[in-house]
Amino acid sequence: AIVLNQSPSSIIASQGEKVTITCRASSSISSNYLHWYQQKPGAFPKLVIYSTSYRASGVPSRFSGSGSGTSYSFTISRVEAEDVATYYCQQGSSNPFTFGSGTKLEIK
Amino acid sequence: EVQLVESGGGLVQPGRSLKLSCVASGFTFSNYGMNWIRQAPGKGLEWVAYISSGSSYIYYAETVKGRFTISRDNAKNTLYLQMTSLRSEDTALYYCARLGADNWFAYWGQGTLVTVSS
Repeated sequence: AIVLNQSPSSIIASQGEKVTITCRASSSISSNYLHWYQQKPGAFPKLVIYSTSYRASGVPSRFSGSGSGTSYSFTISRVEAEDVATYYCQQGSSNPFTFGSGTKLEIK
Repeated sequence: EVQLVESGGGLVQPGRSLKLSCVASGFTFSNYGMNWIRQAPGKGLEWVAYISSGSSYIYYAETVKGRFTISRDNAKNTLYLQMTSLRSEDTALYYCARLGADNWFAYWGQGTLVTVSS
């Protein structure tokens, strides 16, 4: 199984700050198959970025993604209070589909 | 509007069985692969099982293989998860999710809670 090592596990940021989350895969995966989700407290996960860098419908432009091979990143250019959530990367390259362990974003 | 509504969760003793259902609406259910994904309390996401649109391909996580069975009834727009030999570590919120083109999880239900405890 492909293991996704996500870091950091938590971030405390100020509003307007830029934050970046890293997701490293144990094997190379096509960028088509690396996706990011946002899970707000008490809610189900929501697809934010698909295929490394494409924003899902309705997602603000402050969210972006990049990467290739085994190294991927997710960035919020200017954090807002509504972005408080846990963020997960996920690979769909091979079964079993796997998720990163999550990054909890809090606001100062 | 795509909707996925899970049901069937509850409190069950270790070693017993439970069957979850997920009713889909707002899209042509028979065209899409479907999944079960779970989240233990306070923990991360764990993919559990996948079934292709026509049930030809089925995959399971190693943690549930041999104990859980995923199935679907396209005529009823319903996805199922039969869970047997339940363990305390199966305690989680179980989500059904529709698969997207490059194996992302495009749509999720609200989840149904399964608690395994004596």
